[in-house]
Amino acid sequence: GDSVTQMEGPVTLSEEAFLTINCTYTATGYPSLFWYVQYPGEGLQLLLKATKADDKGSNKGFEATYRKETTSFHLEKGSVQVSDSAVYFCALKGYSTLTFGKGTMLLVSP
Amino acid sequence: EAGVVQSPRYKIIEKKQPVAFWCNPISGHNTLYWYLQNLGQGPELLIRYENEEAVDDSQLPKDRFSAERLKGVDSTLKIQPAELGDSAVYLCASSPGRREGPFTDTQYFGPGTRLTVL
Repeated sequence: GDSVTQMEGPVTLSEEAFLTINCTYTATGYPSLFWYVQYPGEGLQLLLKATKADDKGSNKGFEATYRKETTSFHLEKGSVQVSDSAVYFCALKGYSTLTFGKGTMLLVSP
Repeated sequence: EAGVVQSPRYKIIEKKQPVAFWCNPISGHNTLYWYLQNLGQGPELLIRYENEEAVDDSQLPKDRFSAERLKGVDSTLKIQPAELGDSAVYLCASSPGRREGPFTDTQYFGPGTRLTVL
């Protein structure tokens, strides 16, 4: 079945550092890929998505590229802020189901 | 545009008591989902509705959980009786539905209800 594997956290960075959170997937068919962010005490917010191979999703300085050859969708940001501290979930959408990874906590210190 | 609305945000109950959660999806979204999120985990699907029809409830523990989506708009998820292990966050999400294509249909989440069973 479909599955998503994310790097374990927490990822601890200083403000303005470069961020990479790795995500790889296993799926049949042609899934869409998503990154969701969850701030403390809140629900999941869609951060970005990509619907086909080589697509790049971007939002709020975050980017991820759908790499079919490596089955990956790594999240990157050039300069993180304290306000980016949250849990980030990678997910894939198969024919009917959205499958999530376990989430990666990001902690950014001033 | 208003997002997915859920209530209550927090609920504390004694074990064996009943509890209900309510969700109002984004206007015009045909598909509605209920997810369970345990601490430190990603959400897991409990049930999916296409309009008023439950099309995937394979992960819903039907001995104690029930859901309904009358008139194909808002939805209620109920647990009766609640157990200690039901303590979790219950998330509702909605999506436009198949008109976007099954693989690209994007889900939008509500803030969730945090349930604590004592």
